[in-house]
Amino acid sequence: GDSVTQMEGPVTLSEEAFLTINCTYTATGYPSLFWYVQYPGEGLQLLLKATKADDKGSNKGFEATYRKETTSFHLEKGSVQVSDSAVYFCALTAEKLVFGQGTRLTINP
Amino acid sequence: NAGVTQTPKFQVLKTGQSMTLQCAQDMNHEYMSWYRQDPGMGLRLIHYSVGAGITDQGEVPNGYNVSRSTTEDFPLRLLSAAPSQTSVYFCASRPSPSSGRRGTQYFGPGTRLTVL
Repeated sequence: GDSVTQMEGPVTLSEEAFLTINCTYTATGYPSLFWYVQYPGEGLQLLLKATKADDKGSNKGFEATYRKETTSFHLEKGSVQVSDSAVYFCALTAEKLVFGQGTRLTINP
Repeated sequence: NAGVTQTPKFQVLKTGQSMTLQCAQDMNHEYMSWYRQDPGMGLRLIHYSVGAGITDQGEVPNGYNVSRSTTEDFPLRLLSAAPSQTSVYFCASRPSPSSGRRGTQYFGPGTRLTVL
């Protein structure tokens, strides 16, 4: 069945560091790919998405590119801030939305 | 625009008690889902619905019932609560793929449930 595997956490970085959170997927067909973010005490919010191969989703300085050849959708940000501390979920959708296990990111000042 | 609303926000139950978690959305979305979130497990799908009158099981359906009598509401029932059901529950909705807004899912704020 469809599945998503993302980088084990927790990840701790200093402010202004470069961030990569890896995400790979297994799916039949051509799913849409998503990154969701969950800030402490809140529900999930859509961060960015890509609906077809080579699409790049971007939002709030975060980017991810839909790579069909490597079945990946890695999340990147060039310079993280303390306010980026959250749990990040990679997901794909066919009929159901399938989530990775989440990666907790902590940014220290 | 209220989006997806859930009630209650917090609940404590004793083993064996029953309760219903409420979920409503005002975006006319066909698809609605219930997830539970446990540490280190990500989100796991409990039940989902692709339209009024249609429900199906997800990854972890045991101990939970759902119904979808209207497009707006998708309640989740715990018939006899167990400590293993202590979790944070999220309801979500999205339009059907045929609507052209493929896949974007909106989440409620969550219900934190503790079963003693």
